Parts: sequence; structure tokens; C-alpha cells
Amino acid sequence: DQQVKQNSPSLSVQEGRISILNCDYTNSMFDYFLWYKKYPAEGPTFLISISSIKDKNEDGRFTVFLNKSAKHLSLHIVPSQPGDSAVYFCAASDMNRDDKIIFGKGTRLHILP
Amino acid sequence: DGGITQSPKYLFRKEGQNVTLSCEQNLNHDAMYWYRQDPGQGLRLIYYSQIVNDFQKGDIAEGYSVSREKKESFPLTVTSAQKNPTAFYLCASSPPLLSPTDTQYFGPGTRLTVL
Repeated sequence: DQQVKQNSPSLSVQEGRISILNCDYTNSMFDYFLWYKKYPAEGPTFLISISSIKDKNEDGRFTVFLNKSAKHLSLHIVPSQPGDSAVYFCAASDMNRDDKIIFGKGTRLHILP
Repeated sequence: DGGITQSPKYLFRKEGQNVTLSCEQNLNHDAMYWYRQDPGQGLRLIYYSQIVNDFQKGDIAEGYSVSREKKESFPLTVTSAQKNPTAFYLCASSPPLLSPTDTQYFGPGTRLTVL
């Protein structure tokens, strides 16, 4: 049973426009959410996170929005740049339980020139 | 420089052979993890260890074994019992009990190909 779902395997966005990556989760006990970025043949790198006590967290061009009632979060990248082309993983954790992070399947973002 | 190292970057083995993937960290993290990535799949947890001399199975532990004799090291053995071992393997570490300022830090990965 997939607890973290990224339903779009890929997304293409024009350079300079907004990229919106979506993520849904099923476990209502998740209270900490993360986004990782991964280039081919490299390990994922942490991008941005949000605690369940917030509904928005912003870091430069990256903003994560959390809608707890819908069990949905999204990552916005504005403006999109060529270096943003990568696979983005949504992840979630129940911090009161253990250190395990549950990852989604990832969304491949292509930034078009 | 603090970080996580995995070696080798590429590894080839013959079917039926065991192989051990190395993971070392000098971040003084208590917790370490092994993930596997396949095309079209997310990162799937194989094993994790929250403290030295202790480890737990993840979601896909069958055909794998680990040890945690030292805080810095968490080697993963892919045994001949693993039916589909060709994949990209990622090691990660984190401080214990994630807080809003902590995340997992990943190594560069090892691509294992079974011939």
C-alpha cells in the first residue's frame, strides 16, 4: 500500500514559468514532509521540508504548500531554470514514531528552453 | 569534509554470487539506512539501523543482510537469494529522531549489475 503518492511520473515546463509538483499521502499520522531532488546516478539531495503545524514554507525559488485536510502537498518552483531538470521525490515521516521516511515514486521534471 | 561515501560507484557480479556494498559516514549520525531505486519506483527501504549493533528490516529486506559493528559503517550484502538484484543502491544517514531541522543525507549511490 503506497502511503506517499506522486501521480505524475513526468512534467515538462517552459523555462521561466512555474513548476508545480504534487504529492498525496494516506497516513494521517505523518507530521513532517520533505522534498528531495535527484540527478541521474547521484544520491538525492534535500530541497525543502515542512512540518504539519505549518501550511507553507518558502526558501528562495522553492515553496512547499501543505493541505492537511486534503492530505496533499505541492512544491512550487518559480521561476523554473534548466538546472531544475531532475527527479523530485516527495517524502513523509511520522516523527513521533521512528526515523523512517516514506518516499513517493518521484516525478521527473523537464525544463524546456 | 563531512559526508557519506559509498564504494564502488559501479559494481558487476555474476549471478549466484554474494556481493557487499560499502557505506561509510563521518557525520557522527546514529541512524543509517539502505534504499534501493529501480526505474519508475520510489526509494524503497531495505534495512535501517538506529544505533550500533542494532538494525531492522525495511520493506524489501529479503535477499539482503547488513551489519552495524561501528557507528560509521553500515555495509549491505546482496546475497544470491535476492531474485532481482540489479538496481541503484543508496545509503543514507541521519541524527536520531528526525526534527524539523534534520533530514537524511544520502551517499552518491552504487549501481549494481548482475550479469
